[in-house]
Amino acid sequence: AQKITQTQPGMFVQEKEAVTLDCTYDTSDQSYGLFWYKQPSSGEMIFLIYQGSYDEQNATEGRYSLNFQKARKSANLVISASQLGDSAMYFCAMTQRGAGGSYIPTFGRGTSLIVHP
Amino acid sequence: DAGVTQSPTHLIKTRGQQVTLRCSPKSGHDTVSWYQQALGQGPQFIFQYYEEEERQRGNFPDRFSGHQFPNYSSELNVNALLLGDSALYLCASSYQTISGNTIYFGEGSWLTVV
Repeated sequence: AQKITQTQPGMFVQEKEAVTLDCTYDTSDQSYGLFWYKQPSSGEMIFLIYQGSYDEQNATEGRYSLNFQKARKSANLVISASQLGDSAMYFCAMTQRGAGGSYIPTFGRGTSLIVHP
Repeated sequence: DAGVTQSPTHLIKTRGQQVTLRCSPKSGHDTVSWYQQALGQGPQFIFQYYEEEERQRGNFPDRFSGHQFPNYSSELNVNALLLGDSALYLCASSYQTISGNTIYFGEGSWLTVV
């Protein structure tokens, strides 16, 4: 069974500083995908970044980068130059190809990020 | 290009009643998954529909059922509502690619059971 662990229930960061949100995962499969989603108070899950297990380079998307350490089974999200609008819940998720070719993400419990001026 | 749309956005039901939630996937997507997100928790997988059939199911009772229509839209039905069913219900649509990294979520339906 897959498992995603986010050990930080809440994080605070000052505007314009960088912040790292931790995520570790547990799987015995070699092929899997790792995601980060942002969830503002409105409820929508907004896709941020994706890393495939065979990708050798760390994924980057604008101010977001994923620090992928395969041997340690960690996939930390780094947000550079934090903005007030980054305040939200952040979820780490993992997908593996299951029965019938379907991909079912398993989510962690989330980290609440608050960016203050 | 419309993303994933869900309706209704908010609703209140009484214990024992039944509820139907609706989801229209993103254009070009053929797979719909439903999630339940309780307050302070991550989303929990309910089931996934593909080609109008339930392809995979999470650890939810039979009170939770669904349907997918030929246009790929989907419904989630919950019977005999319990107070514990109060949650945000998220719909996600995707197209089965090799990498599986094309999963998009709607804004969710907030269900309160009183």
